[in-house]
Amino acid sequence: EVQLVESGGGLVQPGGSLRLSCAASGFTFSSYEMNWVRQAPGKGLEWVSYISSSGSTIYYADSVKGRFTISRDNAKNSLYLQMNSLRAEDTAVYYCARDRLMTTMYYMDVWGKGTTVTVSS
Amino acid sequence: DIQMTQSPSSLSASVGDRVTITCRASQSISSYLNWYQQKPGKAPKLLIYAASSLQSGVPSRFSGSGSGTDFTLTISSLQPEDFATYYCQQSYSTPVHFGQGTKLEIK
Repeated sequence: EVQLVESGGGLVQPGGSLRLSCAASGFTFSSYEMNWVRQAPGKGLEWVSYISSSGSTIYYADSVKGRFTISRDNAKNSLYLQMNSLRAEDTAVYYCARDRLMTTMYYMDVWGKGTTVTVSS
Repeated sequence: DIQMTQSPSSLSASVGDRVTITCRASQSISSYLNWYQQKPGKAPKLLIYAASSLQSGVPSRFSGSGSGTDFTLTISSLQPEDFATYYCQQSYSTPVHFGQGTKLEIK
């Protein structure tokens, strides 16, 4: 079964750090690009970051650039999101999502269940 | 950045109704448009990719159309399990913004 399982969420104070992990199984992780997408309480979906299959190409949303770092370990079938200088507005459920490529079209076809990050004093 | 605007933001409908949700891009995105369904407390689920291609396992009552800047998601005959929030998303360029969502509620 194709599966993504996030972990690492929790309560952190403003200015603190947290590292999220996403464990992949059931598919060849090293062949797929990956994303982090978040959803603040009661709000819509916000794309956060993208990493290519090799890790050589990375993109960030402006809202997290300079504070968050995406990475992956293909040997461990794992995706990570290092979050530093956290703010209250980073409070959200964080999802990892697999990117699927069909000719030139990308879409997120597999999602994890999410991990909750709460930034509060 | 390419901004995505959905309409309506919320919609009340009855089982068996035909429903259409609209998504507009701030510039042309060809057919680089995806639709997702999200139920409360659950992860999003891919419904439609490349504007009109039905994801495997998704019921055929869901369909997508459009290209350029204007797109629609249609549910031909609403079922009880379809009451959820729907999001469009452009994959033409980074950042791959989502629309603000359309909440479909039972009338």
